[in-house]
Amino acid sequence: EAGVAQSPRYKIIEKRQSVAFWCNPISGHATLYWYQQILGQGPKLLIQFQNNGVVDDSQLPKDRFSAERLKGVDSTLKIQPAKLEDSAVYLCASSLFNEQFFGPGTRLTVL
Amino acid sequence: GQQLNQSPQSMFIQEGEDVSMNCTSSSIFNTWLWYKQDPGEGPVLLIALYKAGELTSNGRLTAQFGITRKDSFLNISASIPSDVGIYFCAGQGLGNKLVFGAGTILRVKS
Repeated sequence: EAGVAQSPRYKIIEKRQSVAFWCNPISGHATLYWYQQILGQGPKLLIQFQNNGVVDDSQLPKDRFSAERLKGVDSTLKIQPAKLEDSAVYLCASSLFNEQFFGPGTRLTVL
Repeated sequence: GQQLNQSPQSMFIQEGEDVSMNCTSSSIFNTWLWYKQDPGEGPVLLIALYKAGELTSNGRLTAQFGITRKDSFLNISASIPSDVGIYFCAGQGLGNKLVFGAGTILRVKS
């Protein structure tokens, strides 16, 4: 069974630029999560989708971050414009029931 | 907001030794999870704990969360080199939402 796929794996941009990350969850998993993991910290939930609807986006900085899951499968997370403090690994996870399965993440460096 | 504190922050042990790490929370969680994260990878679930005070094992791993539901420990017996990595505790709240600790870095000297 294929795991959660994410791309790109690495991205380097300058501050004030835009960036987008893509996630393909495990087939059949209705719930999809985006996490931000800053170096030296644990993952922090940004947004949770149930199919194509948002369940929780309370910790998403909505002035610059946006996410969508239009067809209830793949998802994209966008940052516009990026700030230095957005440098982190962005993890996507999916779940069918309780257990969340994580992708390898996208490492973003903002210069 | 909710916060989980893990200790120690890092540890360097000899191969074959037993390892113990802890996690405390300012909030109550009815489900506790322990994950391991290798460099360049996402966290992988090691053990899920659903009942306070009940010891749960997975091979050389043993974990439990306390009756106050505000703390948990993970033990690793007879450590081996592939145990290196970062170990995270997480509390699971409403809507399957996970709150993670900052992690314990484990280094094993062969």
